[in-house]
Parts: sequence; structure tokens; C-alpha cells
Amino acid sequence: AQRVTQPEKLLSVFKGAPVELKCNYSYSGSPELFWYVQYSRQRLQLLLRHISRESIKGFTADLNKGETSFHLKKPFAQEEDSAMYYCALRDNQGGKLIFGQGTELSVKP
Amino acid sequence: NAGVMQNPRHLVRRRGQEARLRCSPVKGHSHVYWYRQLPEEGLKFMVYLQKENIIDESGMPKERFSAEFPKEGPSILRIQQVVRGDSAAYFCASSPLRSEKLFFGSGTQLSVL
Repeated sequence: AQRVTQPEKLLSVFKGAPVELKCNYSYSGSPELFWYVQYSRQRLQLLLRHISRESIKGFTADLNKGETSFHLKKPFAQEEDSAMYYCALRDNQGGKLIFGQGTELSVKP
Repeated sequence: NAGVMQNPRHLVRRRGQEARLRCSPVKGHSHVYWYRQLPEEGLKFMVYLQKENIIDESGMPKERFSAEFPKEGPSILRIQQVVRGDSAAYFCASSPLRSEKLFFGSGTQLSVL
């Protein structure tokens, strides 16, 4: 079965602290993974995808096939990073995205 | 380009009534996805449509729910004879091609009294 798991509902850190939002997936084959973010009162939007190997707003995510993980990391959290973060997996038909439950990141001053 | 437009933003229905949720995709996008978010849960896929075709409806409840994306006009998610358990936020997303990134709307919050 294709599944995405985000074990933490809420992650609270202080400004300047490192952040790691966990994401594990279940998929047979080569997965296509994404992180989407929803800031307060804004729409859900793409943050980054693993195939791009990019760093957006200081965030990176590395696909670890051995651990079936795609954790989102940032070395120094900022208050404006506070948002809901969703990990997503493209299904094997190449169409819809399967989302995790989401993790709320709260960065305190 | 206004992005994905969903209306209404809030919809209140009494049990047994019909709910119609509209989604206008980004101009030029021919792929539409509907997701539902229940309280304390993540986004659950419902249906994936391309113009005039249902591509994947594996997430749609078997009864009372239907969706369409006509050649002209917005995509419609229709819920007949609503029940309290249908109360949720319904999100629509669109993409220009099958495997492109999704652009999301602001959602419709459905409340069933």
C-alpha cells in the first residue's frame, strides 16, 4: 500500500534552533516525494520536491530509500517558518498525491 | 492569474440537503483534484478529473458523492443528502499536466447542521 506517515502533529522549537520534520513513506518502486507548506491564512503550496534537489527558504530534504524517509530539515529556524507542513507521495499511476497527516511547526522567539 | 478559485468559501447545509462545491482551475490547467480534510486529519484524496473524464475516483465514497469537470465551466463536487460527517474542508487543486506540481485553492468549509 502507498502511504505517507508524519509521526509528529506538532513540533515546537525556538528561533535559531535546528528543525527536522519527519516523513516516512511506503511505496514499491522509485517514489516521487514532495513537501507542501501552508502558512496561516494562505493556500497550500509546494515547498520542494526531491527530484529537484533544491533548497527553498533554507529547507532541504533528502530521500533515504533504505529508511524510506524524506525528512525536511533546516539548520536555523525562523519565526516565519511557523506553518503546517505536509509530506506527499505521487501515486504509482503518476497522478494524484498522497498526503501525510501534516506537522504543525511552531517557531518561538 | 488568480490561481485556483473555489466557491463558496463557507457553505452551511442542513442534514439531507445537497451541497455543490465549485472549483475553477488555473487558466490552462486541464487536471483537477479534490481533497477532503476532516478535523484533526490530513488531506485525503477524493477524485482526479481531466476535462470531461474521471481519471481516478478511488477516494470517493460510493454513495451520495459525485464530481464532474465539464468541457466548459468549473469542476463541481456534489454531495447529496448531506450528513454531519460530511462536515469538512474540501480542497481543489489543478495542474497543467498529469505529473506537474499541484496548485491549490483556498478550500470550501462545509458545515452540516
